[in-house]
Order: sequence, then C-alpha cells, then structure tokens
Amino acid sequence: DAKTTQPPSMDCAEGRAANLPCNHSTISGNEYVYWYRQIHSQGPQYIIHGLKNNETNEMASLIITEDRKSSTLILPHATLRDTAVYYCIVINDKIIFGKGTRLHILP
Amino acid sequence: GAGVSQSPSNKVTEKGKDVELRCDPISGHTALYWYRQSLGQGLEFLIYFQGNSAPDKSGLPSDRFSAERTGGSVSTLTIQRTQQEDSAVYLCASSLIQASVLAKNIQYFGAGTRLSVL
Repeated sequence: DAKTTQPPSMDCAEGRAANLPCNHSTISGNEYVYWYRQIHSQGPQYIIHGLKNNETNEMASLIITEDRKSSTLILPHATLRDTAVYYCIVINDKIIFGKGTRLHILP
Repeated sequence: GAGVSQSPSNKVTEKGKDVELRCDPISGHTALYWYRQSLGQGLEFLIYFQGNSAPDKSGLPSDRFSAERTGGSVSTLTIQRTQQEDSAVYLCASSLIQASVLAKNIQYFGAGTRLSVL
C-alpha cells in the first residue's frame, strides 16, 4: 500500500502557481519525501525531495509541514508542458508509488 | 551513456513465451531498479540491485519473474511463460548510491519497455 495520499486530478490555469498536496501521515523520522512526474509515454522524472526543511530548485518548491505529515509541491508558473501525473513518494527501505495526481494545465 | 536505456521499446509476444527485457543504467550508477506500470496505474516496484546483488526481491509478482545484473551494469528482467496479465510497461531506473539507505538516492528512469502478451 502506498504511504501517501494524493488527489487523483487537479486543474491549473497556465501561468498560475500549481499547488499539489500530499498526505503522508505515517511518515517516520528518517523517511524522505520525493516528488516525481511522468509525462505521457515517458519514464518518471525526478523533481525534488526533502526531509524536514522546505526546498527549492529550478523546477519547483517543496513545502513540508512541521509535523511532516503532509507536503505541497509548488510549480510557480505552470506551463502546458507541466501537464503530467505527479507522484509523491516516501522512501526508506521500500519504494512505493501511488497513483499520483494528474495535473491538467489549462490554456 | 547519457541516460538509462531500455530495450526493446516495444515487445509483442504470445502467451506462454519467455521474454527478456534489458536495462542499461547510467554509467557509474551502482543501484538499479525495476518497476511495472499497468495501464492507468501507478508504478509497482519489482526489485532493486545494489551492485550485482538484489537485497529485496519481494516485489517480484511470481516465480515466473527473475532478474539479474552482471558487472554492476546491465540488467535483464526475464518473464517466463508470459500471461496476459503481464502486459504492462516495464520501467528501469538507476541511481548513484549516496548513502547505504535508499532514502537519499535520486532515481533516473528509462523510457520503458511496453510488453503486450497476446
């Protein structure tokens, strides 16, 4: 069973920030939160990961709550190319991908 | 190579035949992972290798599935006596182990092999 819960789908207007939530209420202290995305017919692509602190890179920002039970991936200025399935996963000694969130960017 | 390479990209086979799927990881990556993705589903973890050994094989769906890795590089996933429910995209990923735990390892994925069992 996936250790994370994500909404099955979301819409976001092009140019706006896309905020994708993830619940991981059973996360333990040494487990990292990773985000990947999968564009149609391609393999998943790494986006960002974190343990406790918020993280930012050239693709996105990751906000992790203080209790670490949930996180939000932020794409600051969504484009049509960001249309994909976004996976939030928690990794320790097992790697379990859920069904992710299908993000639709609307022109 | 520049990225993870999988071959073939597509494979159509008849029920009961054996198939071999190949994965060439990124040069120097010590960890290699196999996943299966059925239509419209998330990724199902199958097995991972650290070097040539597989610490955890519990994700393999049945004893018809096996995988090996030689020379710390290329890996082959073999499915014997294929069944229609084996139809899926088989994805391979590799990572440069930065720590002894999986938690700190960013995985780089190939484009997958689409297996169709008729």
